[in-house]
Amino acid sequence: KNEVEQSPQNLTAQEGEFITINCSYSVGISALHWLQQHPGGGIVSLFMLSSGKKKHGRLIATINIQEKHSSLHITASHPRDSAVYICAVRGMDSNYQLIWGAGTKLIIKP
Amino acid sequence: DSGVTQTPKHLITATGQRVTLRCSPRSGDLSVYWYQQSLDQGLQFLIQYYNGEERAKGNILERFSAQQFPDLHSELNLSSLELGDSALYFCASSVTQNTEAFFGQGTRLTVV
Repeated sequence: KNEVEQSPQNLTAQEGEFITINCSYSVGISALHWLQQHPGGGIVSLFMLSSGKKKHGRLIATINIQEKHSSLHITASHPRDSAVYICAVRGMDSNYQLIWGAGTKLIIKP
Repeated sequence: DSGVTQTPKHLITATGQRVTLRCSPRSGDLSVYWYQQSLDQGLQFLIQYYNGEERAKGNILERFSAQQFPDLHSELNLSSLELGDSALYFCASSVTQNTEAFFGQGTRLTVV
């Protein structure tokens, strides 16, 4: 079993829909990252969380440390949100290396 | 723009050759990470430097090496290249080991 599991693996939705991507992890962490990788390959850091909730524009990230679970929400989704969304955790015992989820491929249709 | 600069953006080279990928971290960031992403694969951690010293090693082949210079820029050297080394190579930087990491745009290496 992977230490970081994301669901769903693939998600196709219509423009305007509310999107939720989930991330569950099995290790103790010091922080959790959500990143976005565009079709061209570039990676953008969206959030770094260690507790609670963060919001940036139409993006919201939450984390529940007790349940070892995080969600990334996109409100009023748009075709330009189409990308791979990656969850990565910074383990406490791994010399602060990031442990990566496999990513969720999101396609928003107009 | 993340502030992390990677050069070159694209590189095509032949098997058996050696290449050097360069990363300039964000101003003030002491930690540099290198990752490899093969086609349709997740990111694989290669190596991390902090203030010039190697801090962690991941799945880095012996044919690969890296260093971080006094001005904090880093280079990843790939030698005796094989077709399977074709991938996107990302550099990321952060202020310390436990702060948010910012990624460069990557270097796309194609070995032919």
